[in-house]
Amino acid sequence: DVKVTQSSRYLVKRTGEKVFLECVQDMDHENMFWYRQDPGLGLRLIYFSYDVKMKEKGDIPEGYSVSREKKERFSLILESASTNQTSMYLCASTPALGGRNTIYFGEGSWLTVV
Amino acid sequence: QKEVEQDPGPLSVPEGAIVSLNCTYSNSAFQYFMWYRQYSRKGPELLMYTYSSGNKEDGRFTAQVDKSSKYISLFIRDSQPSDSATYLCAPYNNAGNMLTFGGGTRLMVKP
Repeated sequence: DVKVTQSSRYLVKRTGEKVFLECVQDMDHENMFWYRQDPGLGLRLIYFSYDVKMKEKGDIPEGYSVSREKKERFSLILESASTNQTSMYLCASTPALGGRNTIYFGEGSWLTVV
Repeated sequence: QKEVEQDPGPLSVPEGAIVSLNCTYSNSAFQYFMWYRQYSRKGPELLMYTYSSGNKEDGRFTAQVDKSSKYISLFIRDSQPSDSATYLCAPYNNAGNMLTFGGGTRLMVKP
């Protein structure tokens, strides 16, 4: 079974703190994603990576950065957390981009910024 | 207008009911139509997908696509309490690389 593991499930951080969300997948997938999910807004793509050290902005990259130093690990970084970044963050991976390729999601990280 | 729209619900039905979950989209280039199921406090998981117009059946689930009206449906027969979840439609366009997710419909099946 494909496993996408998000190490932090629930976090509470203060405004202005630097926040790291870590994600590891165990299936040697090329492509990894970070989404945020908010009520009424669905899943919105923040960043994705199609290879080590490669990244592309998604729909809402402002206030976020990412790091992919190893194939299995994709980190989301909030440089200076703000209250409007309180959300549920989902990491995902897929072997190839394309219509029939399943995207595998982690269980989510709930971030509260106070 | 959002590219993919779903009624957020919640949709509450009794056990055994036939459920119809619907989704509309605006991009006529979408070719693949995915349904993801998301249980509370979990990540989404792929339930099924269809390609282009038509029906696809998988057990109690049937996905239906009408490209002429840009309308996607997921039917659940003999619904069970274990079907209680949020259902996300996610159409896909081969010209791009990313899925576009609807906001999801929350379904509650009561015993």
